[in-house]
Amino acid sequence: QKEVEQNSGPLSVPEGAIASLNCTYSDRVSQSFFWYRQYSGKSPELIMSIYSNGDKEDGRFTAQLNKASQYVSLLIRDSQPSDSATYLCAVGTYKYIFGTGTRLKVLA
Amino acid sequence: EPEVTQTPSHQVTQMGQEVILRCVPISNHLYFYWYRQILGQKVEFLVSFYNNEISEKSEIFDDQFSVERPDGSNFTLKIRSTKLEDSAMYFCASHPSGSIDYEQYFGPGTRLTVT
Repeated sequence: QKEVEQNSGPLSVPEGAIASLNCTYSDRVSQSFFWYRQYSGKSPELIMSIYSNGDKEDGRFTAQLNKASQYVSLLIRDSQPSDSATYLCAVGTYKYIFGTGTRLKVLA
Repeated sequence: EPEVTQTPSHQVTQMGQEVILRCVPISNHLYFYWYRQILGQKVEFLVSFYNNEISEKSEIFDDQFSVERPDGSNFTLKIRSTKLEDSAMYFCASHPSGSIDYEQYFGPGTRLTVT
């Protein structure tokens, strides 16, 4: 059974700080990794995709992938209260396996 | 910016009734998906659809479920005889031809409540 694991949180960070969200996955041959943001009662909103080992930056967001350790992370720099949401890690190419999500609270 | 749309936003039905959830994927996308999310739980894959046929389905997607692309724009999920445990948010997603980009874009969801 393919699994994607995330710490459910909540992860609380002060406004302006860096939030670090982590995800591990069990399927060693996975090639595609995604971070989504989900506000309560809303649908998942794509933040970033990452396919290669290393870092990928987009604005305040940086995704990091380490396939040897089966680990993917998301860093949010200069966290804002509007970043408060649940962050979902998804793994897969045509069929996504989602983690349970990490709830992030950014404190003003 | 193009987006996936879904109707209705909320559907209430009685146990045993049939429901059809509708989705309009992004126009140049070729792969379509249904996911569901029971309240407080993770998003779960139901089915993927490409070239007018199911490409993969999960254990959840049993004989009570079916999907169809009745025309060039709509993509539907039918539940033939709803059960209480079918109550969930149902999300449609799509992505373009997947040679290098597998990013899926989700619709706003339909909240299905079975009473």
